[in-house]
Amino acid sequence: GENVEQHPSTLSVQEGDSAVIKCTYSDSASNYFPWYKQELGKRPQLIIDIRSNVGEKKDQRIAVTLNKTAKHFSLHITETQPEDSAVYFCAASKRYSSASKIIFGSGTRLSIRP
Amino acid sequence: DAMVIQNPRYQVTQFGKPVTLSCSQTLNHNVMYWYQQKSSQAPKLLFHYYDKDFNNEADTPDNFQSRRPNTSFCFLDIRSPGLGDAAMYLCATSDPTRQLYNEQFFGPGTRLTVL
Repeated sequence: GENVEQHPSTLSVQEGDSAVIKCTYSDSASNYFPWYKQELGKRPQLIIDIRSNVGEKKDQRIAVTLNKTAKHFSLHITETQPEDSAVYFCAASKRYSSASKIIFGSGTRLSIRP
Repeated sequence: DAMVIQNPRYQVTQFGKPVTLSCSQTLNHNVMYWYQQKSSQAPKLLFHYYDKDFNNEADTPDNFQSRRPNTSFCFLDIRSPGLGDAAMYLCATSDPTRQLYNEQFFGPGTRLTVL
């Protein structure tokens, strides 16, 4: 079945530096790749997503890239701030005939050092 | 605002005592999901409803059941909670008939404690 691998599991960066989280997926039929940020005790919050018809998307300090050939996608956070500290999950999904399921990566705990 | 609501936010139950968690939505989405999330892990899909059609994940224990009496509400029943069922339970919705892509909308979650 579909599998999503995420690396690294933990990441510590200096405030102001960039952070990169990488994911790979197994099902070439996947067409939607959301990224979720989850703070302690809160719901996963969609921060950005990318669809299979584009290779890159940017929203202020956050960018995602998608390489469909290699089945890789990545999250880039620039100019990191303390409030970026959280667990980040990548995910992949394809559209089924009845309902779609999201397959989550295992998560990356991002810590921003002041 | 259209949203996904979960009640209660915190639930404490005793070992073996049945418990029901509730989810409601004002988005009028036709798919509703239940996830279990344990500390430091990704959300794990338990089951989902596409309208009234129930879809169980192969590895969901029989101890977990669900009901969807109408479009707006979905319930998660844990028949005999064990200590290992202590977790955050997340409800989510989506509507593949309106969306080409499977964007899911999460509720705030119910934190279940089993004593």
